[in-house]
Amino acid sequence: KQEVTQIPAALSVPEGENLVLNCSFTDSAIYNLQWFRQDPGKGLTSLLLIQSSQREQTSGRLNASLDKSSGRSTLYIAASQPGDSATYLCAVNGGSYIPTFGRGTSLIVHP
Amino acid sequence: EAEVAQSPRYKITEKSQAVAFWCDPISGHATLYWYRQILGQGPELLVQFQDESVVDDSQLPKDRFSAERLKGVDSTLKIQPAELGDSAMYLCASSVGTGWEQYFGPGTRLTVT
Repeated sequence: KQEVTQIPAALSVPEGENLVLNCSFTDSAIYNLQWFRQDPGKGLTSLLLIQSSQREQTSGRLNASLDKSSGRSTLYIAASQPGDSATYLCAVNGGSYIPTFGRGTSLIVHP
Repeated sequence: EAEVAQSPRYKITEKSQAVAFWCDPISGHATLYWYRQILGQGPELLVQFQDESVVDDSQLPKDRFSAERLKGVDSTLKIQPAELGDSAMYLCASSVGTGWEQYFGPGTRLTVT
């Protein structure tokens, strides 16, 4: 059974810092990996989707990388802003296309 | 911009009562997902549909939960009877097909008293 771990569980940083959020998974036979953002009490917003054949994807200040062989993905946030404060979740689509989520990293960016 | 619709947004019910949630996916999306999210945890997949067919419902507590997508478009998730431990956020998502990018609705916050 696929297990997804996100480290750290929580992070508090001053505005302007560059951040790295980590996602690891136990079964490397994945189809793709998706990063989401969730604001308190809200649904999830898709940030980036990386296919298993790709090594990275970029959207604005966000960059996600994937190393399938080592079972790891990282989400890099450049020049963090208070509006980036949210919980960040990764979801892995396994070979059977059943998605598995991590518990998330709760991020606070203070002015 | 197309969105996944869910209703109600909030539901308070007493234990042992029945409760139902509705989801309307993005038009043209064949795959629909129902998740349960407990506070502080990631979403847990309850059931996944491809058109009208169930792809996976291995984590659905079938003694009290049921889900249907009769015409392959909108879907209903039902709990009967509700228990205190069912208090959670229920999220619906859709994608073009299995394994494609998922888009989520706003969720239904269920409180069982």
